[in-house]
Amino acid sequence: KAGVTQTPRYLIKTRGQQVTLSCSPISGHRSVSWYQQTPGQGLQFLFEYFSETQRNKGNFPGRFSGRQFSNSRSEMNVSTLELGDSALYLCASSRGDWAETQYFGPGTRLLVL
Amino acid sequence: DQQVKQNSPSLSVQEGRISILNCDYTNSMFDYFLWYKKYPAEGPTFLISISSIKDKNEDGRFTVFLNKSAKHLSLHIVPSQPGDSAVYFCAANGGSQGNLIFGKGTKLSVKP
Repeated sequence: KAGVTQTPRYLIKTRGQQVTLSCSPISGHRSVSWYQQTPGQGLQFLFEYFSETQRNKGNFPGRFSGRQFSNSRSEMNVSTLELGDSALYLCASSRGDWAETQYFGPGTRLLVL
Repeated sequence: DQQVKQNSPSLSVQEGRISILNCDYTNSMFDYFLWYKKYPAEGPTFLISISSIKDKNEDGRFTVFLNKSAKHLSLHIVPSQPGDSAVYFCAANGGSQGNLIFGKGTKLSVKP
């Protein structure tokens, strides 16, 4: 079975721009969660989508948004980029049941200049 | 306030010996715990998990122990190998769907 894939792997943007990241889950997985990893804050939960609906959201500003398509692929969008948005963005997929193991993609490294 | 804590930022172990990585949590409602291994610039790789109804789970060289009364879990790697050198993250099912709460990680170095 193919794993979780994320595109692009690396991205450089400037302040004020917006960015869209993509995640394709493991086949059969209906839940996609997004995380931000920074050296200072570690891995922090952004939001989770299940069957095209956002089920949960972490403590991030509204500039961070996402969506999920009918094939379970998910996109994450960050608008009006700030320097502090530079991070590794990870998505993880699972079947979506309670207490499910999440499997992570390789991440997208975003650098905001 | 950190709900999942890994108090040792780093650990160095000799090849062939046991590595013990520790993790504490504060929320007694957490019911599922996972360990992930991570290399730089890669996504975390799932290692092993444990449900709160168990106190031990084993998978090959990896064993996770859960002490609910102490709100503590540990990952034992026996025997340790140089390829185990990575950052290990403890995570807890955060009480809401799809939300894992991670510790800050412990960097394990296994010396040949």
